[in-house]
Amino acid sequence: SQQGEEDPQALSIQEGENATMNCSYKTSINNLQWYRQNSGRGLVHLILIRSNEREKHSGRLRVTLDTSKKSSSLLITASRAADTASYFCATGTKSSGDKLTFGTGTRLAVRP
Amino acid sequence: SQTIHQWPATLVQPVGSPLSLECTVEGTSNPNLYWYRQAAGRGLQLLFYSVGIGQISSEVPQNLSASRPQDRQFILSSKKLLLSDSGFYLCAWNWARTPWNEQFFGPGTRLTVL
Repeated sequence: SQQGEEDPQALSIQEGENATMNCSYKTSINNLQWYRQNSGRGLVHLILIRSNEREKHSGRLRVTLDTSKKSSSLLITASRAADTASYFCATGTKSSGDKLTFGTGTRLAVRP
Repeated sequence: SQTIHQWPATLVQPVGSPLSLECTVEGTSNPNLYWYRQAAGRGLQLLFYSVGIGQISSEVPQNLSASRPQDRQFILSSKKLLLSDSGFYLCAWNWARTPWNEQFFGPGTRLTVL
């Protein structure tokens, strides 16, 4: 099974609304990262949160991490049509070395 | 600045034919290199990773192989393609000896095996 699983699988919202995506994982992590993928393109790193952090912000992005629940959420505020993409969480663990384990992603559609 | 290239961008191959996908990184030295496959609408599956020239770790048993003939070159190969090899192949790199840092992805190669 996936180390990281995003929820929901797909999300459709109106421009200007907030979008929240969740990621759950199974084993203890060192850090959790969020990536974005536009259709047919490579992934782009958005934000990294370490296991000893609870919240992190970057522009319109807000990431939270709850290690007791083994979950993270990505909030995109005031969404724009250009935010339409798939969003993936990825986890790094001590045993995985430099490797990351990616979740299955949330497809976000922002309607103009 | 660093850049990562992949080619070709798109490839259509018959079953049983060989495969060679290339990935190169510019602007850094001794990067960690990764090959992922992404099935349609799915997450990423790590296929191979490399921490140095000639050092390849395979993550899943499969019909594919990888090589790193130069520090910043990573090649994904197959002797005989299967239908199940179709997918979107992504190469990525990150800084070595800095565990768990972000990965930088190439533009990908879409492979269709017919």
